[in-house]
Amino acid sequence: ETGVTQSPTHLIKTRGQQVTLRCSSQSGHNTVSWYQQALGQGPQFIFQYYREEENGRGNFPPRFSGLQFPNYSSELNVNALELDDSALYLCASSHRLAGAHTGELFFGEGSRLTVL
Amino acid sequence: AQKVTQAQTEISVVEKEDVTLDCVYETRDTTYYLFWYKQPPSGELVFLIRRNSFDEQNEISGRYSWNFQKSTSSFNFTITASQVVDSAVYFCALSEGFTGANSKLTFGKGITLSVRP
Repeated sequence: ETGVTQSPTHLIKTRGQQVTLRCSSQSGHNTVSWYQQALGQGPQFIFQYYREEENGRGNFPPRFSGLQFPNYSSELNVNALELDDSALYLCASSHRLAGAHTGELFFGEGSRLTVL
Repeated sequence: AQKVTQAQTEISVVEKEDVTLDCVYETRDTTYYLFWYKQPPSGELVFLIRRNSFDEQNEISGRYSWNFQKSTSSFNFTITASQVVDSAVYFCALSEGFTGANSKLTFGKGITLSVRP
């Protein structure tokens, strides 16, 4: 068990709505990354948060935004939902020391979003 | 740009057979990490191995072994004496250099392994 928990596990939204997904990182980890995994594809990096600031972003539009809280938990917000946003959203926690990252990620079970 | 190619999409074997999952990567970095993750139906990605670009030694862990060859940019994964519990989707992934502060991984599309009793 990795200790990374995500909520909700499943949700259904309609186009144009907004959604917030939540992630609690593994104890002792200070970095959270979010990935989008479309059906039949590998996960794609959305962004990473370290010390409550976005620190690295993939090829996703600004309507994908996030937050990291002092306890290192995180939220992913997606505005103006589109049908193509339907996917499994995975949160990964990891630890960064002295400016460098070990690159080892521990993933949660994900939040499956369906946009109708 | 970084890229990971897993040319095999689905593999089906009978229990106790050996199976090799292929992974080819592209990167301009001289320092990088390679990973394999397992994704069971529950959705969680389970970490299997991390290998840095300076360590080309093959690794064995129980029934699992990994063959890293920089000359061919490949990082293949072999399961010996496969079991039904090995059925899952397996992803190969590549990260940026260790000196980077980014935890971004570039994943392949995954290989669905089915092990039949």
